[in-house]
Amino acid sequence: IAGITQAPTSQILAAGRRMTLRCTQDMRHNAMYWYRQDLGLGLRLIHYSNTAGTTGKGEVPDGYSVSRANTDDFPLTLASAVPSQTSVYFCASSDGDSSDTQYFGPGTRLTVL
Amino acid sequence: AQSVSQHNHHVILSEAASLELGCNYSYGGTVNLFWYVQYPGQHLQLLLKYFSGDPLVKGIKGFEAEFIKSKFSFNLRKPSVQWSDTAEYFCAVYYGNNRLAFGKGNQVVVIP
Repeated sequence: IAGITQAPTSQILAAGRRMTLRCTQDMRHNAMYWYRQDLGLGLRLIHYSNTAGTTGKGEVPDGYSVSRANTDDFPLTLASAVPSQTSVYFCASSDGDSSDTQYFGPGTRLTVL
Repeated sequence: AQSVSQHNHHVILSEAASLELGCNYSYGGTVNLFWYVQYPGQHLQLLLKYFSGDPLVKGIKGFEAEFIKSKFSFNLRKPSVQWSDTAEYFCAVYYGNNRLAFGKGNQVVVIP
């Protein structure tokens, strides 16, 4: 069982370009999350999805969008990347809602130039 | 907005020393509390959690945490650290409305 996989592992992107970060889980968890991790700021929630077909905004949603067409996949899209979106992005999932233990993917390191 | 505070962002200590990391939160209602650990180059994983019951919670690798409701605290402890405990430690608090708030983390370096 792989748990949560994320792709790509790392990416360097020119400002203004569109980018989709992929996240797939094989645990059949209902809820999925996207966080960004920045030095000295910890993890901040970007978007979440409680079940397939639903999404919600987290603490820092601006500039990002998500979709949840099925249980397993939860892609994060940057429509027009900006340098302030340089960060490490973690996808996570939980069986219940975010009151439950979350399981994290290995992360995507994104650099926007 | 609810907040989670972790103090002493950088902690350096020698092997066999005791470790205590503080975590305070600002919400007065029912909360679920977590400590996650991120080893160098790895993703976050759960260290321990408190939902209800005994306020002294034991986790993996000899870690424990104590929930003190009156102090809004959930401090993490380990009596004798090892070099392999070098990692970043995050306190997280679930306070409702599908929001899990993380603290800014404690970078712990254990010197052999």
